[in-house]
Amino acid sequence: DAMVIQNPRYQVTQFGKPVTLSCSQTLNHNVMYWYQQKSSQAPKLLFHYYDKDFNNEADTPDNFQSRRPNTSFCFLDIRSPGLGDAAMYLCATSRLQGAKNIQYFGAGTRLSVL
Amino acid sequence: DQQVKQNSPSLSVQEGRISILNCDYTNSMFDYFLWYKKYPAEGPTFLISISSIKDKNEDGRFTVFLNKSAKHLSLHIVPSQPGDSAVYFCAASATGNQFYFGTGTSLTVIP
Repeated sequence: DAMVIQNPRYQVTQFGKPVTLSCSQTLNHNVMYWYQQKSSQAPKLLFHYYDKDFNNEADTPDNFQSRRPNTSFCFLDIRSPGLGDAAMYLCATSRLQGAKNIQYFGAGTRLSVL
Repeated sequence: DQQVKQNSPSLSVQEGRISILNCDYTNSMFDYFLWYKKYPAEGPTFLISISSIKDKNEDGRFTVFLNKSAKHLSLHIVPSQPGDSAVYFCAASATGNQFYFGTGTSLTVIP
């Protein structure tokens, strides 16, 4: 059974049209992450939540926002998608346990921008 | 700047032989390292990890070696099986909460 679920799996949006990607988890983990992965590149952390505490990476564009209304759900909002935002977006969760901090990933949402 | 590097985009190995996947890092503060495996259309799944206080960790057919002085780790798969064909990502952490990933190595195990 999927423990980290991302919807939709594929999302097509138009240049400049706001889009929201969603992630839910059944693991009751404290931490939720959003990564962006472009073709042949490493997943790049955009931000993460530790409980309700939001942590933004310094180089994450302002165009990207996130919401975590409760433990189970986390959303990625792209306010004005550009062509360069086309990528795979991965959600992950972890329960912070000292040095052992395994992340559990969803299958990702592939975003296309037309 | 890429702090974790996997310089081999792809690797092909005969079934039954050893697969060796390599990873280099630049940040000497990294103290925890993981390998993830990713099949097409799925998210990465955790495979094996190692803390910087160790130089080897073994789990069945999978062994991870860490050479801190060289800032290098490797994943050995013995014997390799066709089901091991996937993309393998190396990841490293300094704080336990943020991970830096490599670009991945696509392993093909030839029957």
